[in-house]
Amino acid sequence: EAQVTQNPRYLITVTGKKLTVTCSQNMNHEYMSWYRQDPGLGLRQIYYSMNVEVTDKGDVPEGYKVSRKEKRNFPLILESPSPNQTSLYFCASRRGDLYNEQFFGPGTRLTVL
Amino acid sequence: AQKITQTQPGMFVQEKEAVTLDCTYDTSDPSYGLFWYKQPSSGEMIFLIYQGSYDQQNATEGRYSLNFQKARKSANLVISASQLGDSAMYFCAMREDNSGYALNFGKGTSLLVTP
Repeated sequence: EAQVTQNPRYLITVTGKKLTVTCSQNMNHEYMSWYRQDPGLGLRQIYYSMNVEVTDKGDVPEGYKVSRKEKRNFPLILESPSPNQTSLYFCASRRGDLYNEQFFGPGTRLTVL
Repeated sequence: AQKITQTQPGMFVQEKEAVTLDCTYDTSDPSYGLFWYKQPSSGEMIFLIYQGSYDQQNATEGRYSLNFQKARKSANLVISASQLGDSAMYFCAMREDNSGYALNFGKGTSLLVTP
């Protein structure tokens, strides 16, 4: 089944404790991205990657890191999480050519105390 | 500046009726795509429909249609024959093809379908 998977789905952590949210897709998509969703703000892009070893900042990259060592994986790293990073996070992927929908993962609900 | 504007924070519609969810966008890029996603209470993002800026015809997918008015920069979603399962948040999004391919999302419209 074609899908984007994220782990963990739910996470409660404390300020300053490094964490990684994994994202994997099995569709051989070139393009992957991370979004955060906050009430009343819609979804905002954190980082995106056009292909392996190619990443770039989105609209709200502060406090986050990403890497793209393999085509299928695009982990989101919070080196020192803070309470303002409490949010619902989505990973998404799509083919590199235009006019294609983005496939979203199921979301990761993160709470930073 | 907000690139996608959804002016209706919440809407009600009666089952079996049609409903229009508004979306206006702002871009100077001649090549772009417009998307609608549904987010039920379970949280996942479900793709509904896509319209390309060069498409001549309005997109349709089953009970969903996109009323694309390019000159007005609007891309309203029309849901015909509403069902209780249509109750969800709906997001309009735009991809500008000369700006890194990110999706810019609106703030969403919460739709409640009543019996």
